[in-house]
Amino acid sequence: SQTIHQWPATLVQPVGSPLSLECTVEGTSNPNLYWYRQAAGRGLQLLFYSVGIGQISSEVPQNLSASRPQDRQFILSSKKLLLSDSGFYLCAWSVEGPLHFGNGTRLTVT
Amino acid sequence: TQLLEQSPQFLSIQEGENLTVYCNSSSVFSSLQWYRQEPGEGPVLLVTVVTGGEVKKLKRLTFQFGDARKDSSLHITAAQPGDTGLYLCAGLTSNAGNMLTFGGGTRLMVKP
Repeated sequence: SQTIHQWPATLVQPVGSPLSLECTVEGTSNPNLYWYRQAAGRGLQLLFYSVGIGQISSEVPQNLSASRPQDRQFILSSKKLLLSDSGFYLCAWSVEGPLHFGNGTRLTVT
Repeated sequence: TQLLEQSPQFLSIQEGENLTVYCNSSSVFSSLQWYRQEPGEGPVLLVTVVTGGEVKKLKRLTFQFGDARKDSSLHITAAQPGDTGLYLCAGLTSNAGNMLTFGGGTRLMVKP
């Protein structure tokens, strides 16, 4: 069966510090991978998606970037965090069907 | 840009009551998905509706896709405290790279 791992679960970082959130998927090949941000228990905003290794599409220009160094690994990064980067970040995968989400990372920028 | 509007945003009811959550758009979707999310976790798929007018039932939950495939509703009968959570609808547009557009969510609280 397929599983998705996302870590860390919570993170507190100072303004100006770098960020690296990692997401890995097991049990499937060549999945579409996604990074979403969710504000205060509301809807999801798509940040990045990837249909293959090294292929990244950005939906919202901002202080973040994404990379896909391996087929089942998706990384969300920032060189310098802003206060407005605080939020709940969700990784998800899909293969011609619905999205399967990780348990999210709660990021607080102080 | 497609927009999915969910209503109500918040709903607090007593155990045993019925409720309906609405998801509306001016755009046509090839399919529509409903997710439920609990605090500190990712959303989990409840159902996918594909055909206009389709009705799907999942125990006490009834999902309907509008005839024109622009809107959907979720009806819960005899709500229970375990139904508490954030309900999200998401529309899929096949001519937009199979991207999902999420509604803003409905936060449901069922009090015992």
